[in-house]
Amino acid sequence: AQSVTQPDIHITVSEGASLELRCNYSYGATPYLFWYVQSPGQGLQLLLKYFSGDTLVQGIKGFEAEFKRSQSSFNLRKPSVHWSDAAEYFCAVGAGDSNYQLIWGAGTKLIIKP
Amino acid sequence: GAGVSQSPSNKVTEKGKDVELRCDPISGHTALYWYRQSLGQGLEFLIYFQGNSAPDKSGLPSDRFSAERTGGSVSTLTIQRTQQEDSAVYLCASSLDRGRNSPLHFGNGTRLTVT
Repeated sequence: AQSVTQPDIHITVSEGASLELRCNYSYGATPYLFWYVQSPGQGLQLLLKYFSGDTLVQGIKGFEAEFKRSQSSFNLRKPSVHWSDAAEYFCAVGAGDSNYQLIWGAGTKLIIKP
Repeated sequence: GAGVSQSPSNKVTEKGKDVELRCDPISGHTALYWYRQSLGQGLEFLIYFQGNSAPDKSGLPSDRFSAERTGGSVSTLTIQRTQQEDSAVYLCASSLDRGRNSPLHFGNGTRLTVT
């Protein structure tokens, strides 16, 4: 069955430290992969997406993610986090041609220590 | 420009009452989606509209849930005879079209509490 796993429910990182949020997926074909961010009290915003080509994709707010087919992973990274990055991060896999077919992970809540 | 607007932002209702949640998408966006977000869960897809039609209603959890979209714009999600398990944040999103190349734009959600 198609699925998306975000193993970490929450992660605490010191401001200025590096960040990696994990995302693993199970999907039979070449996946379309997304990361969205949800700030407190807000809706979700697209950070970045991978469809094909270069496996390292750059997104907004200084985030990047790397698609690793052999590990079925699409981990999100940022070299140095800011307090404003505190939010919940969702990984999603496109299971078909349409947006409504996205499969969502349960999210990882990022807490920033001052 | 205006983003996706949802109202009310918070709704507290008594068990057994009906509620209506409203979504005003970005102008020109033909696709509209409803999701439910429960604490500690990912997004649960409920229904989507292409124009005024809802090709896939399979995500609606029960027949107490219904949705409509009029004029290719505003959508209403109705929950009849609310139950405590309906308590969640209901998110609406829209996109230019339904293809995965069109990013989803989300509203801030309606937090529903059923007492």
